[in-house]
Amino acid sequence: QLQLQESGPGLVKPSETLSLTCSVSGGSISSRSYYWGWIRQPPGKGLEWIGNIYYSGSTYYNPSLKSRVTISVETSKNQFSLKLSSVTAADTAEYYCARETRDSSGYYQYFDSWGQGTLVTVSS
Amino acid sequence: DIQMTQSPSSLSASVGDRVTITCRASQSISTYLNWYQQKPGKAPKVLIYAAISLQSGVPSRFSGSGSGTDFTLTISSLQPEDFATYYCQQSYSTPFTFGPGTKVDIK
Repeated sequence: QLQLQESGPGLVKPSETLSLTCSVSGGSISSRSYYWGWIRQPPGKGLEWIGNIYYSGSTYYNPSLKSRVTISVETSKNQFSLKLSSVTAADTAEYYCARETRDSSGYYQYFDSWGQGTLVTVSS
Repeated sequence: DIQMTQSPSSLSASVGDRVTITCRASQSISTYLNWYQQKPGKAPKVLIYAAISLQSGVPSRFSGSGSGTDFTLTISSLQPEDFATYYCQQSYSTPFTFGPGTKVDIK
């Protein structure tokens, strides 16, 4: 059974870089069938898609965060990572990693497996 | 970006009730619409993808309908474990966007 697990500091200072890693077990991150994504949720608020990555390293980012976001993949470790630079209090959120799959037609994408989430607080 | 709205933002219902949640996209997204359920302290879980397709393992009391800009999630007979927040999400184009959520609580 596929499992995703986020890891990284729970507290980051303003203006610094938030770094998180998602470890994937029970499946290969190198599968051609999936993208791997990051989604965040500020406390008490809704969900925001940050971006995703393919095993080849191809990425898509949310334009609202694009200037500050880097998502990378390390296939040898079956992990992918998120870096968000110049953070402010507005970046305080639960951060989820998720697998993005397609249905049998290949046209429809959705997040079918999620990590448990990790709360990152931006504060001095 | 495609903006997603949901109504109502919250509702109170009883076990056994039929519940309907509406999601609207700011432009046509065909049937590129997914529904998720999120319980407090947990990650979202996909219920419906491609507007009408039930994810494996999800009870058949959940159903989805719609196309274009207007979509509906229906719970035919609300169960105690269904009290949660429900989000719609469009996968028509990046950036993928979510609706603001509909909280379903106990009447």
